Amino acid sequence: NAGVMQNPRHLVRRRGQEARLRCSPMKGHSHVYWYRQLPEEGLKFMVYLQKENIIDESGMPKERFSAEFPKEGPSILRIQQVVRGDSAAYFCASSPLQGDEKLFFGSGTQLSVL
Amino acid sequence: GESVGLHLPTLSVQEGDNSIINCAYSNSASDYFIWYKQESGKGPQFIIDIRSNMDKRQGQRVTVLLNKTVKHLSLQIAATQPGDSAVYFCAETPGGSNYKLTFGKGTLLTVNP
Repeated sequence: NAGVMQNPRHLVRRRGQEARLRCSPMKGHSHVYWYRQLPEEGLKFMVYLQKENIIDESGMPKERFSAEFPKEGPSILRIQQVVRGDSAAYFCASSPLQGDEKLFFGSGTQLSVL
Repeated sequence: GESVGLHLPTLSVQEGDNSIINCAYSNSASDYFIWYKQESGKGPQFIIDIRSNMDKRQGQRVTVLLNKTVKHLSLQIAATQPGDSAVYFCAETPGGSNYKLTFGKGTLLTVNP
């Protein structure tokens, strides 16, 4: 009964490179959410996806950031041309139902930009 | 309680004592509140939730109190154990957007054996 799986756990990138973060939701969950956490801060909502659809991306930066949740495979959060300010922990959560507030979070990916 | 400063509020208790963690929220439209526990290197873990039509809800060793008049939420942990040491976040969401949680900055709870 695996929970939300995120990989990699740690990702180091140099400024200007691309970062790809992966998230596999819990079995039976078709709703995926991405949150970002800066040091000593609470999590901040980025995007909500269902299979092949972006439902709400109001928390995503307008440039360089994109997310997808294809029909097959994990959800991907992609950050192009990373900058030092992108360094943070990125958490993925999933839920079985639309509008279900009880989100199950993964262990996160810690992105460090050198 | 919650803070707008750069450092996490901290609460240090002795094993076996009761802990009370406070949270202030600002959005009067919020109608659903959740407490999460986050251990080092892990994602947030759901503890307990409460809707705005209630003022108290109890779980196993935990109680959440909601005071809508002053927009205040608290988490009470009975007989605190070393395994309770973690950062605790309150989160809120307004009606109609149940997945878009707004998290507070968190409180670091340290339980001394």
